[in-house]
Amino acid sequence: ETAVFQTPNYHVTQVGNEVSFNCKQTLGHDTMYWYKQDSKKLLKIMFSYNNKQLIVNETVPRRFSPQSSDKAHLNLRIKSVEPEDSAVYLCASSWEGNTLYFGAGTRLSVL
Amino acid sequence: AQSVTQPDARVTVSEGASLQLRCKYSYSGTPYLFWYVQYPRQGLQLLLKYYSGDPVVQGVNGFEAEFIKSNSSFHLRKASVHWSDSAVYFCAVSLPNTNKVVFGTGTRLQVLP
Repeated sequence: ETAVFQTPNYHVTQVGNEVSFNCKQTLGHDTMYWYKQDSKKLLKIMFSYNNKQLIVNETVPRRFSPQSSDKAHLNLRIKSVEPEDSAVYLCASSWEGNTLYFGAGTRLSVL
Repeated sequence: AQSVTQPDARVTVSEGASLQLRCKYSYSGTPYLFWYVQYPRQGLQLLLKYYSGDPVVQGVNGFEAEFIKSNSSFHLRKASVHWSDSAVYFCAVSLPNTNKVVFGTGTRLQVLP
């Protein structure tokens, strides 16, 4: 049963545009994450957000920013997309950093 | 720094054969250990996890894994695979009381009918 919801499923855009992805979890978890998965299936943590504390992977470009209204929502904004941003973006949640529950992902294609 | 190594990028087996997917981690203490599976066009799903206790843990769909501390390994096993097990499998490590999870590079399993 899906408990982490991501929208949209797919998004196609052009270089330089701004995009925003949404994520909502209904599990009552205290921590949410954004991962980037490339074409080789490699997973890279981008952000984690716990009790309003944001932990940023220092390798993430500044055009990426997380946005959270409450602990059940963590959106991802990309200010000006570039070709290398094409990937699947996976949202996840956990309770105290234990088992991760993932959404189905948002596939971004940058033309 | 902690790391997770999955040495086999691809594994191909015939339906009904036994399976072992390898995972080794690097961490000075005893981390939490996980195996996740990713089916096409889906997110990752938990197969099994180890926190403490019995080093052999059972998961869903007949999967199990054994934690061997002396070898820093957490290999995934299944006695008899089904074609529907074809997917990408990820080993992951989490440090206790942190929000940090490190994933391996994944092993793509193909089960031939």
